[in-house]
Amino acid sequence: GAVVSQHPSRVICKSGTSVKIECRSLDFQATTMFWYRQFPKQSLMLMATSNEGSKATYEQGVEKDKFLINHASLTLSTLTVTSAHPEDSSFYICSASDRAGPSPLHFGNGTRLTVT
Amino acid sequence: GDSVTQMEGPVTLSEEAFLTINCTYTATGYPSLFWYVQYPGEGLQLLLKATKADDKGSNKGFEATYRKETTSFHLEKGSVQVSDSAVYFCALRRQTGANNLFFGTGTRLTVIP
Repeated sequence: GAVVSQHPSRVICKSGTSVKIECRSLDFQATTMFWYRQFPKQSLMLMATSNEGSKATYEQGVEKDKFLINHASLTLSTLTVTSAHPEDSSFYICSASDRAGPSPLHFGNGTRLTVT
Repeated sequence: GDSVTQMEGPVTLSEEAFLTINCTYTATGYPSLFWYVQYPGEGLQLLLKATKADDKGSNKGFEATYRKETTSFHLEKGSVQVSDSAVYFCALRRQTGANNLFFGTGTRLTVIP
């Protein structure tokens, strides 16, 4: 079945530094990728949608200059948390689809980010 | 807006017990409904889905029926196993528009021998 690899699974960083999270589709071309975050005891919330070769579309309230998304190829999307603060500590998870319309979503294992 | 409300948990059951995890939704039209499962250390996996009213999704002994009248999609299993221990997420996708999902908070299930 379709596999999405997300790396790293856990990262601890100091406040003010930047962290990059990678999401790769291993056996299909990911036309569309979604980035979610989850705070404790809350839902996974969509942060942004990215389509290969174009700028990401961010959800309301998500700072695009803080959460940089790059989807430069059909198999790789990256999320960079810039100038991280403790309140950015969360669980980030990517999902990928091989087309823009209704289709199965394949999820990565998620990244637990802790900012100290 | 669209949302999913899910039984919070955690839920602890003995092996072979009956499982119900409640899920209700708010959405316009006829969204598609899903249950995803996340086993320890793994990503979310689609467990089952239903795309229209009265559809029943089923997989691995789990079932859920799309109830439009009660806007619900409760997950059930007649006899749980230790290997079912995981976090379960209810989710919806809008009838039209983008492909992204709206998730519930997740329910952690622990099955003890």
